[in-house]
Amino acid sequence: NAGVTQTPKFQVLKTGQSMTLQCAQDMNHEYMSWYRQDPGMGLRLIHYSVGAGITDQGEVPNGYNVSRSTTEDFPLRLLSAAPSQTSVYFCASSYSGRRGELFFGEGSRLTVL
Amino acid sequence: AQSVTQLDSHVSVSEGTPVLLRCNYSSSYSPSLFWYVQHPNKGLQLLLKYTSAATLVKGINGFEAEFKKSETSFHLTKPSAHMSDAAEYFCVVSAGRDDKIIFGKGTRLHILP
Repeated sequence: NAGVTQTPKFQVLKTGQSMTLQCAQDMNHEYMSWYRQDPGMGLRLIHYSVGAGITDQGEVPNGYNVSRSTTEDFPLRLLSAAPSQTSVYFCASSYSGRRGELFFGEGSRLTVL
Repeated sequence: AQSVTQLDSHVSVSEGTPVLLRCNYSSSYSPSLFWYVQHPNKGLQLLLKYTSAATLVKGINGFEAEFKKSETSFHLTKPSAHMSDAAEYFCVVSAGRDDKIIFGKGTRLHILP
């Protein structure tokens, strides 16, 4: 009964380094998304996907890439990390797209020095 | 494009008194609306959702919300606050031709003994 699994839970990067946040769900949800949470800003949508092979940009996509090769996995890539990307990242999935309940991972806290 | 505004960043109420958290939305299409709660250092949990059925929606833990199309509002209420209600609450909208699910900036609810 794993639900949405995010790894790693914590990560410290230096400016310019790259990394990938992993997200996997075992609920056969077609809809998956990535958010970042910053104090006073709520959750802001980075990228989302409505199914394997389909991705689209959210509110704050710059500096992030995604791909969706399988229904289960939706990794988020930072190609060249910047201090402005210091945040808590949440992956979420939904069984019925934008009208369904979002199921969230536990979050990944990223610090960029 | 859809948007959501939570009118108060912080709300303080005494235990046992009513709670009102205000949310206005903007959308050119029939929206789906949600309220999520996040307790400190925890993930996000769905409180309730509106998806074009009854305009008064009942959720978990005694919360409810009313969809008012004429006022473009979806305020969250609870008749009697409990100490365990202290958390951050997010109003969420999904509408339009894309599949974006957009969060408000959040309202932090403080419960006074």
